[in-house]
This record gives sequence, structure tokens and C-alpha cells, in this order.
Amino acid sequence: SQQGEEDPQALSIQEGENATMNCSYKTSINNLQWYRQNSGRGLVHLILIRSNEREKHSGRLRVTLDTSKKSSSLLITASRAADTASYFCATGNSGGSNYKLTFGKGTLLTVNP
Amino acid sequence: SQTIHQWPATLVQPVGSPLSLECTVEGTSNPNLYWYRQAAGRGLQLLFYSVGIGQISSEVPQNLSASRPQDRQFILSSKKLLLSDSGFYLCAWATLNEQYFGPGTRLTVT
Repeated sequence: SQQGEEDPQALSIQEGENATMNCSYKTSINNLQWYRQNSGRGLVHLILIRSNEREKHSGRLRVTLDTSKKSSSLLITASRAADTASYFCATGNSGGSNYKLTFGKGTLLTVNP
Repeated sequence: SQTIHQWPATLVQPVGSPLSLECTVEGTSNPNLYWYRQAAGRGLQLLFYSVGIGQISSEVPQNLSASRPQDRQFILSSKKLLLSDSGFYLCAWATLNEQYFGPGTRLTVT
């Protein structure tokens, strides 16, 4: 069953604006990850936040995690046209050799020049 | 550095025909390997994963199968394709936490 659910399903903004995407999940997790997918391509790992972390930064990306609300947000600051892509959250429930991720349906971000 | 390859990039097959998609990984040993399917505009559905040679776990019952004949080779197969098998198939390998995806195969069953 789908674990992560991204919101909104689609987001259209102007270049230079900030983009915020949200992810909700249902069960307890070890970590939550965000991936990016350009149209027709494979997914690229962006950032991982562990269940004992509340906020993490990587360049123009800022991820927050609220385990009490079972939710996460991805903020992209000063967006660029090249940020246009689908963004997925994925939750990890176990470590070790049987590690699996459960992906949401994604948010399609369009950044207009 | 690690690299993951998938082929073919695109494939058009008639209903009832067999399927074989191949995925190979370079630059790492004994990786966890995964096959996902992505329907148009949707998220990823985990089909199979493997923690070692000959070890396959199936997540969703269907007419697909997977095999891992070598440490860094993962194959997705079908004896008879259905229309519903159309989609974008992604192979991935994993470190302890992160997954790294191949470029994908676009399969259209006609």
C-alpha cells in the first residue's frame, strides 16, 4: 500500500519563487527521503532525513520532518526553470539487508521562466 | 564510482509476447537490487527486490518474474505480456539507506 502521499499533486510557480511540497505517511519510519524525477528519466536522490532529525538543509533544499504529525515538507528556495520535475517522498521502515522504500505518487513542479 | 545500466530504453511488444529487461550495476558488490514499475503520472510500485544471487522477493502478484543470475545483474521477465504491463520500468540498487536508479525502460504493450 502507498505509504507517502505528496501534496499538492501539481504546483506551478514563477522562477525565483519558493516551492513547498508536503508529504504525509502512515506508519513509523526510520528515515524519509526525497527524490526528483525529470520527465522520462530515473529518480535522483536529493536528501535524507532521519526520524530523530527535525530539519535538514542541502543547498537550496530544506526538509522538515514532524514525526508526531507523520509529515514532511520539502522547500526549494529561489526556484529555477531547471527545477521543473516530479518530486517524490519515500519512507524507509527498516535497515539492513532487507531495506525497502515506499514511494508516494509525487508532486509535479513546474517553474515558469 | 557506481553506475547502473538498463536496456532497452524503449520497447514495443504485442500482447502475449515474452519480455526480458536487463539491469546491471558497476562499481559495487553485493548490492540490494530492485525493480519498480511506474504507470503514467503515478508513483513507483515495487515489483521485486533481491538481497543476493538467486534471492528474489516478490511484492505484487502478477505475470512478471525476476531473476538474479549474477551479483550485479537483475532481470525482469514475462512469458506472456498483458496490456496492463505497459509502463516505465526502473531498476535500482541500494546502499544502506539510499537508492540509485537506472535510466528506465519504457514498455508499451500493444
